[in-house]
Amino acid sequence: DIQMTQSPSTLSASVGDRVTITCRASQSISGWLAWYQQKPGKAPKILIYKASSLENGVPSRFSGSEAGTEFTLTISSLQPDDVATYYCQQYNSHPYTFGQGTKLEIK
Amino acid sequence: QLQLQESGPGLVKPSETLSLTCTVSGGSISSSGYYWGWIRQPPGKGLEWIGSVYSSGGTYSNTSLKSRVTISVDTSKNQFSLGLTSVTAADTAVYYCATSRLYGKAFDIWGQGTMVTVSS
Repeated sequence: DIQMTQSPSTLSASVGDRVTITCRASQSISGWLAWYQQKPGKAPKILIYKASSLENGVPSRFSGSEAGTEFTLTISSLQPDDVATYYCQQYNSHPYTFGQGTKLEIK
Repeated sequence: QLQLQESGPGLVKPSETLSLTCTVSGGSISSSGYYWGWIRQPPGKGLEWIGSVYSSGGTYSNTSLKSRVTISVDTSKNQFSLGLTSVTAADTAVYYCATSRLYGKAFDIWGQGTMVTVSS
């Protein structure tokens, strides 16, 4: 199984800050990586697919990048509405696997 | 637009079978998704992929759940289903159904989730 190691597990930042979350795959996943945002009591919502493609309707302050087996989700200017837990997921091969999650808070 | 809704018992006894259904609205299950899947989330924990069924008919499930998982599609009812046998307290979770509408998209539409508790 492909392991997805996500960091940090928690992150506290100020409104307007640039925020970065990282996900590392245990082997090549050929860019088949998605990022999700989950707010308390809600279903996850897709933000990014294929490592860097922005889902329709998602604010442009969210972006994704890829460098080998390391993937990054960046929020260019943190907004209060971005408080949530973020997960990465590889869908290159079965079993699909998720990172452990990053809980993002506002300072 | 495409919407998914989970349904099923909220309480299941240990050793019994958990059965959930996902009803698809706003589109046909035969043509609106590349694959359909189940994901679960134990209270306070992260997401775990359970399995998926492809529009081609192929099914895949998480090796961690061994042979306890069955996923099937009922096109006449526009639904797909999850069966999980021999449940224990470790199977207590919110269960989500989701779909990837296009090749390469990952899970882009999710149901709201349904809480299932395993307890006698």
